[in-house]
Amino acid sequence: ETGVTQSPTHLIKTRGQQVTLRCSSQSGHNTVSWYQQALGQGPQFIFQYYREEENGRGNFPPRFSGLQFPNYSSELNVNALELDDSALYLCAIFSDGKRNTGELFFGEGSRLTVL
Amino acid sequence: EDKVVQSPLSLVVHEGDTVTLNCSYEVTNFRSLLWYKQEKKAPTFLFMLTSSGIEKKSGRLSSILDKKELFSILNITATQTGDSAIYLCAVEARGGSQGNLIFGKGTKLSVKP
Repeated sequence: ETGVTQSPTHLIKTRGQQVTLRCSSQSGHNTVSWYQQALGQGPQFIFQYYREEENGRGNFPPRFSGLQFPNYSSELNVNALELDDSALYLCAIFSDGKRNTGELFFGEGSRLTVL
Repeated sequence: EDKVVQSPLSLVVHEGDTVTLNCSYEVTNFRSLLWYKQEKKAPTFLFMLTSSGIEKKSGRLSSILDKKELFSILNITATQTGDSAIYLCAVEARGGSQGNLIFGKGTKLSVKP
């Protein structure tokens, strides 16, 4: 139990629609990273938020966007969904006191299927 | 381009066997290498390695890093069915945003009774 909660756990959308995925942590960590894990692949870094600002971005188009709120919960928004967006979306926070390491705690993920 | 390559991609063993999982990497300004275990959804942290030649150990699992040859191995001795999972290797580079890990595709380990 990492204390990282993601919702929804599963959802199905159609091409062209928009989706919002949510992430929160018990302790209110100020840094959150989002990853996309396609079937048979390792997780790929989408972006990171630190104190409500985007603090690094991977190779994802602008239709992937995010927000972080004052309570440090976070959202991942994806517009104009494509079939290839079907994946497990993982939210991750640093374990307490370890922001200067790569030791991340992951949530259980949101599995998105785009039809 | 930074990359992480794991081998084998899948492996089937019997309980009690010892396995070695491999991870090679190419990354600019290496900072650390991490191993995660993914059973269903959330990857769970196993080890973080930053220095060559120093073995990290936790129970039946151990790992070591070779920064000269750019690889790491994860050993699991006396495997159990509960070790069945995908094992992910990731590297972190200095200068990038912390929390930006570059993952390999993983090794799917199946342990048969």
